[in-house]
Amino acid sequence: EPEVTQTPSHQVTQMGQEVILRCVPISNHLYFYWYRQILGQKVEFLVSFYNNEISEKSEIFDDQFSVERPDGSNFTLKIRSTKLEDSAMYFCASSVGLAVPEQFFGPGTRLTVL
Amino acid sequence: GEDVEQSLFLSVREGDSSVINCTYTDSSSTYLYWYKQEPGAGLQLLTYIFSNMDMKQDQRLTVLLNKKDKHLSLRIADTQTGDSAIYFCAEDYTGGFKTIFGAGTRLFVKA
Repeated sequence: EPEVTQTPSHQVTQMGQEVILRCVPISNHLYFYWYRQILGQKVEFLVSFYNNEISEKSEIFDDQFSVERPDGSNFTLKIRSTKLEDSAMYFCASSVGLAVPEQFFGPGTRLTVL
Repeated sequence: GEDVEQSLFLSVREGDSSVINCTYTDSSSTYLYWYKQEPGAGLQLLTYIFSNMDMKQDQRLTVLLNKKDKHLSLRIADTQTGDSAIYFCAEDYTGGFKTIFGAGTRLFVKA
């Protein structure tokens, strides 16, 4: 069964460093999403992406964040200068389309900022 | 504003029914969802309901939607220990480009 994959599973970085979190969505999916979950808290929407552009973003997704689909398979989230409060689990998701609402989630990348 | 509220904990005995409740704010949501998260794992979509329905049944799961009160519930019949997890209620915004999650209800199932 096709699944969303994410790498790495755990990333440790120093405050101020740039990180890139990678996702490979399901191959025939057209909509892509990033969410984050700070330990013990709710899952928070970050951004949605369709047709090579951002469709919607939250207040969390400020200028330090960017997303890219550099080729036909990868979908990346970049944090330019990480802060301690960026430590969280980051989930990628993809869906076929808005008429089929199911989003398939990856296993997540745990980001630890020291 | 965008907000989805859930109670944080629910404890039931194995074999009993569990009912997890949720309130949401956006009356224009097209779909409402229930996701399950097991320890250390990602989110798994359990079921969803279209906003023009008031009930959906899927095996042991029953979803009830009260649009007037913006209230969504998930009933799990014959709850098993394997159902122990965090259950997230979610609704879509802006035609599905944005999904807002509740804080999750941690379900404990006692043997």
